[in-house]
Amino acid sequence: GNSVTQMEGPVTLSEEAFLTINCTYTATGYPSLFWYVQYPGEGLQLLLKATKADDKGSNKGFEATYRKETTSFHLEKGSVQVSDSAVYFCALSDGGGYNKLIFGAGTRLAVHP
Amino acid sequence: DSGVTQTPKHLITATGQRVTLRCSPRSGDLSVYWYQQSLDQGLQFLIQYYNGEERAKGNILERFSAQQFPDLHSELNLSSLELGDSALYFCASSAGTGGSSPLHFGNGTRLTVT
Repeated sequence: GNSVTQMEGPVTLSEEAFLTINCTYTATGYPSLFWYVQYPGEGLQLLLKATKADDKGSNKGFEATYRKETTSFHLEKGSVQVSDSAVYFCALSDGGGYNKLIFGAGTRLAVHP
Repeated sequence: DSGVTQTPKHLITATGQRVTLRCSPRSGDLSVYWYQQSLDQGLQFLIQYYNGEERAKGNILERFSAQQFPDLHSELNLSSLELGDSALYFCASSAGTGGSSPLHFGNGTRLTVT
């Protein structure tokens, strides 16, 4: 079945460091791909999305490119801030939309001043 | 603020008991989804309702049931609780059933079974 694999955390970085969180997926067809972020004590928020191969999603300095050839959707940010500390989830929707999201295990990011 | 309201925020109960979790979707959203987040299973899709009708089912146990009422709020009922049911339960809502409708998540209900 469809699945998402994320790099294990926690990821600990200093402020202004470069961030990469790896995400690969297994799916039949052409899924839509998403990154969600969960801040402490809150629900998940959509960070960015990509709906077809080679699409680049971006938001708040984060970006991820839908790579069909490597079945990957890695999250990157050029310069992280303390406020980016959160848990990041990669997800796919095999319906081509947002429903029945299948999530990865989540990667905790801790950014220190 | 996502506009999705979940109550209660915390729930502590004993094994064998039954609890009800409540969710009010964002104004205008017709779909409600329930997810379970646990340390060992991660985020698991449980069930989806659209305008009062069950639309999709995921890894939901037979001891669990849900419904969506005419005013569109939803309840998730968990019965014969076991220690392993301790988790964070999220509700999400969307305007439609799929395609272009993003999911908006509530802040969750943390269930602790002792």
